[in-house]
Amino acid sequence: KAGVTQTPRYLIKTRGQQVTLSCSPISGHRSVSWYQQTPGQGLQFLFEYFSETQRNKGNFPGRFSGRQFSNSRSEMNVSTLELGDSALYLCASSSSQGFRTEAFFGQGTRLTVV
Amino acid sequence: QQQVKQSPQSLIVQKGGISIINCAYENTAFDYFPWYQQFPGKGPALLIAIRPDVSEKKEGRFTISFNKSAKQFSLHIMDSQPGDSATYFCAAFVTGTASKLTFGTGTRLQVTL
Repeated sequence: KAGVTQTPRYLIKTRGQQVTLSCSPISGHRSVSWYQQTPGQGLQFLFEYFSETQRNKGNFPGRFSGRQFSNSRSEMNVSTLELGDSALYLCASSSSQGFRTEAFFGQGTRLTVV
Repeated sequence: QQQVKQSPQSLIVQKGGISIINCAYENTAFDYFPWYQQFPGKGPALLIAIRPDVSEKKEGRFTISFNKSAKQFSLHIMDSQPGDSATYFCAAFVTGTASKLTFGTGTRLQVTL
């Protein structure tokens, strides 16, 4: 069974630009969540999508948005990039929402904003 | 507001020794507590998890101890090996929000020969 796939693995963007990150969950998983990992703030929850609907949202500005497609693949978009957005962005998938199922993480997308 | 506090920040243990990482939580609504292991360049991987109705859970060399009244839980790695060198995160979530994990700040473990 293929794991969670995130693309691209690495990105370098300029301040003010926007970026789109992609996540393909494990086959059959309908819940996809996104996390930002930085040395200073650790792992922070961005948002969760289930069946194309955003179910949970963390404390991030509106520049961070996402969506989920009918095949459960998800994209995350960050507009007007700031230097502080440099981080490892992790996607996790789980089989269902509301149950104690484990979240499987992808390898992440390393975003560098210059 | 940091809802899960983790210590120590870093830990050096000799091969064969016991590694102990501690976490404390504030939100009494948390009812599932997983531990994740992360190697450089990789995403976190679930190591072991526990529910608050259990005081201890063991899987191989890894044991979680849980103290519900103190709102604390810890990871013990017995017979630590160099291959265990990684960053460990405790986490917590509330049933019904399965994918909204609240993570501790992480412990970088180094196991020396």
